[in-house]
Amino acid sequence: DIQMTQSPSSLSASIGDRVTITCRASQGIRNSLAWFQQKPGKAPKSLIYAASTLQRGVPSRFSGSGSGTEFTLTITSLQPEDFATYYCHPYSDFPRTFGPGTKVDIK
Amino acid sequence: EVQLVESGGGLVQSGGSLRLSCVGSGFSFNDYSLTWVRQAPGKGLEWVSYISSGGGTIYYRDSVKGRFTISRDNAKRSMYLQMSSLRADDTAVYYCARGAELLDWGQGTLVIVSS
Repeated sequence: DIQMTQSPSSLSASIGDRVTITCRASQGIRNSLAWFQQKPGKAPKSLIYAASTLQRGVPSRFSGSGSGTEFTLTITSLQPEDFATYYCHPYSDFPRTFGPGTKVDIK
Repeated sequence: EVQLVESGGGLVQSGGSLRLSCVGSGFSFNDYSLTWVRQAPGKGLEWVSYISSGGGTIYYRDSVKGRFTISRDNAKRSMYLQMSSLRADDTAVYYCARGAELLDWGQGTLVIVSS
């Protein structure tokens, strides 16, 4: 089974900051990785798939990169609506899994 | 607009059964795989089960194998999760999601298993 580590587990940032979240897979997953944003009490929302493809309607301040075992989600110029928990999700194999999440809150 | 709507959650006693449904609209239902994901209170996301577009390929996480059954009816644009022998650790919000990449999600349905 593929194990995902995600770092940091939480971070505090200010409006306008650049934020980077990293996910590492226990084995190569090519570019089969998605990123999701979840706000309290809400369903997760797709941000990025295929490691770097922005989902429709997602602001361009979000970007993804990486392949193989190391992936990053970057938010340039953090906005108030970006405070949330972010999860990565490899979909190259079964059983599927999720990263443990990164909570981004206000400094 | 893509929509996924889950239903069927509720309060059930340990050992009981429940059937969840997910109805999709706004996309070609027959063309997409579907997935159930759950989230226990205060916890992260947990993948539960997958069904391919035609229903011929199915996977489960180990902890639900033999207890949960996923199925779909493309004519009704619906996917189901039959859950039996429910345990307290099955308590969660259950979401359905579209495509291998989980491109769109429903709002979730809450399952509470009381012991």
